[in-house]
Amino acid sequence: KQEVTQIPAALSVPEGENLVLNCSFTDSAIYNLQWFRQDPGKGLTSLLLIQSSQREQTSGRLNASLDKSSGRSTLYIAASQPGDSATYLCAVSPSNTGNQFYFGTGTSLTVIP
Amino acid sequence: DTAVSQTPKYLVTQMGNDKSIKCEQNLGHDTMYWYKQDSKKFLKIMFSYNNKELIINETVPNRFSPKSPDKAHLNLHINSLELGDSAVYFCASSHQGAGELFFGEGSRLTVL
Repeated sequence: KQEVTQIPAALSVPEGENLVLNCSFTDSAIYNLQWFRQDPGKGLTSLLLIQSSQREQTSGRLNASLDKSSGRSTLYIAASQPGDSATYLCAVSPSNTGNQFYFGTGTSLTVIP
Repeated sequence: DTAVSQTPKYLVTQMGNDKSIKCEQNLGHDTMYWYKQDSKKFLKIMFSYNNKELIINETVPNRFSPKSPDKAHLNLHINSLELGDSAVYFCASSHQGAGELFFGEGSRLTVL
């Protein structure tokens, strides 16, 4: 069964810093990988979706990369802002079933003004 | 215009009661899900429906019964509520099972 791990569990950075969040998964046979942010008391907002055939996706200050062979994805946030403070989750969809997403435990990010 | 909406947002009830949570999506997706987020914020899938058919039924007590009257709706009914059912329940939808996943705002259930 697919297991998804996110390290660190929590991260604090000063405003303006670039940062990297990590996601690792045990089974490299994935269909796609998705990054989300969750604000306190809110639902999950999709940030980036990477198909298994892709190496990276970019949206504004966010860049997500995928290395299937090593079972890793990173989310790079450039020039962090206090509004980026949230919990970031990654989820993978296995290729053998198209209707399942396995979630990591998330990284809680605090950007200090 | 909310893409995935679920009601109610908050639900406080006594042990042993029966309650329902409703979910609707206006994205034209064919797959809908129920996820449970526990106190440690871990998200785990409960059910997945594709075109009104049950695709995934994870190890969930049979007190939980999903119903999908059409592709745009997926409701969750819970019988004989227990303290351990307290959690946030999220509805989500996607296209063709493994497309981009969109979530509702969540329904926080508290069982006293």
